[in-house]
Amino acid sequence: DAGITQSPRYKITETGRQVTLMCHQTWSHSYMFWYRQDLGHGLRLIYYSAAADITDKGEVPDGYVVSRSKTENFPLTLESATRSQTSVYFCASHRGYNEQFFGPGTRLTVL
Amino acid sequence: QKEVEQDPGPLSVPEGAIVSLNCTYSNSAFQYFMWYRQYSRKGPELLMYTYSSGNKEDGRFTAQVDKSSKYISLFIRDSQPSDSATYLCAMSGAGDTGRRALTFGSGTRLQVQP
Repeated sequence: DAGITQSPRYKITETGRQVTLMCHQTWSHSYMFWYRQDLGHGLRLIYYSAAADITDKGEVPDGYVVSRSKTENFPLTLESATRSQTSVYFCASHRGYNEQFFGPGTRLTVL
Repeated sequence: QKEVEQDPGPLSVPEGAIVSLNCTYSNSAFQYFMWYRQYSRKGPELLMYTYSSGNKEDGRFTAQVDKSSKYISLFIRDSQPSDSATYLCAMSGAGDTGRRALTFGSGTRLQVQP
């Protein structure tokens, strides 16, 4: 089915470990995004990408790295996980001016 | 102060009630206004989208934008238990076009009691 998939859906890791969250879209949308969602903060933009090989920082980029070698994939890496990165992570793609479509999310717990 | 403020709720109403959900914002450059619905443990889904001021209706849902007051609303008529979810407002302005960025409210949790 067309859409956005994220993997893993749930992840538990330890402080200091590297973690990569995967995102795949089937629409070939140019723009893709990573958000984190925390209680009381809503959705905050971590990184976005306007096209393959074009990425830029959002509101809360520290501690995260992204890459986009193919239009359909946009992985997010936590280089050295910290407890403050415990959150729900959503990947999204963009159509037209303002329609964003979200994946199902990855629940990450950092112990 | 956050750019977009939204009462977190929870808002509990009986089935069939009219629900009013609201957001206020401070950035006068915002021109595009959206409402997303998020069910528990799911990703947000786009519900309504309006440009500038005015009203937009889609079935039981009506979105209103008052740019002079920097205030947007979502009304749900004949609310159903299946409407129980968190509702997030989102906005963007001309300055965000290059990155297609949206600024989200923190969401209001709605519970419709059968």
